[in-house]
Amino acid sequence: QVQLQESGPGLVKPSQTLSLTCSVSGVSISSGDYYWSWIRQPPGKGLEWIGYMYYRGNTYYNPSLKSRVTISVDTSKNQLSLKLSSVTAADTAVYYCARVQYYGSGTYYNDYWGQGTLVTVSS
Amino acid sequence: QSVLTQPPSVSGAPGQRVTISCTGSSSHIGAGYDVHWYQLLPGTAPKLLIFGSTNRPSGVPDRFSASKSGTSASLAITGLQAEDEGDYYCQSYDSSLNVWVFGGGTKLTVL
Repeated sequence: QVQLQESGPGLVKPSQTLSLTCSVSGVSISSGDYYWSWIRQPPGKGLEWIGYMYYRGNTYYNPSLKSRVTISVDTSKNQLSLKLSSVTAADTAVYYCARVQYYGSGTYYNDYWGQGTLVTVSS
Repeated sequence: QSVLTQPPSVSGAPGQRVTISCTGSSSHIGAGYDVHWYQLLPGTAPKLLIFGSTNRPSGVPDRFSASKSGTSASLAITGLQAEDEGDYYCQSYDSSLNVWVFGGGTKLTVL
């Protein structure tokens, strides 16, 4: 059974760096069969793609966040991580990690998701 | 404002059929990129309902179906059940922005 679980501070001060971890079980991140993504949902708003990566280090980021985002994996711990720098109140959101399947012709979808973790940016 | 347009809300009585539209443009859905649908229920992990515009993952009831035509896609839910109440999102790829794009979400209320 594939499971993903996000963890990290629920409160981050403005201008600081948001750091989250996604622990994956039931599948090895380094199996090479999947990509791994982060998606967020601000309160009362829709979903926003942050970025995704392949375990070998290939990363793909939303251009609107690219200058502030780093996604990485720790294959020894089977974990995915997200770092978002210089946060503001606009970065307050529920953050989800998800497993990504490549469907072909440039199409990707997320087949397993974590429950999400709320991160509030406030002083 | 989301790149893909969905109705903010839909509703139906138990047993009825509802549809949720997802309207895009020639940069994504109209360019031939597939649409995927997700269900977000309170307190649970988001769930993949449809991938590749029309395909159901194993375990998703056949009450859920979807289609794509031109610059739009649609999710249909038949035999509505109280447990279907939640938010539904479509997703595609925008080749002009080089990003995954989501709809604004549709809140389904089972009356």
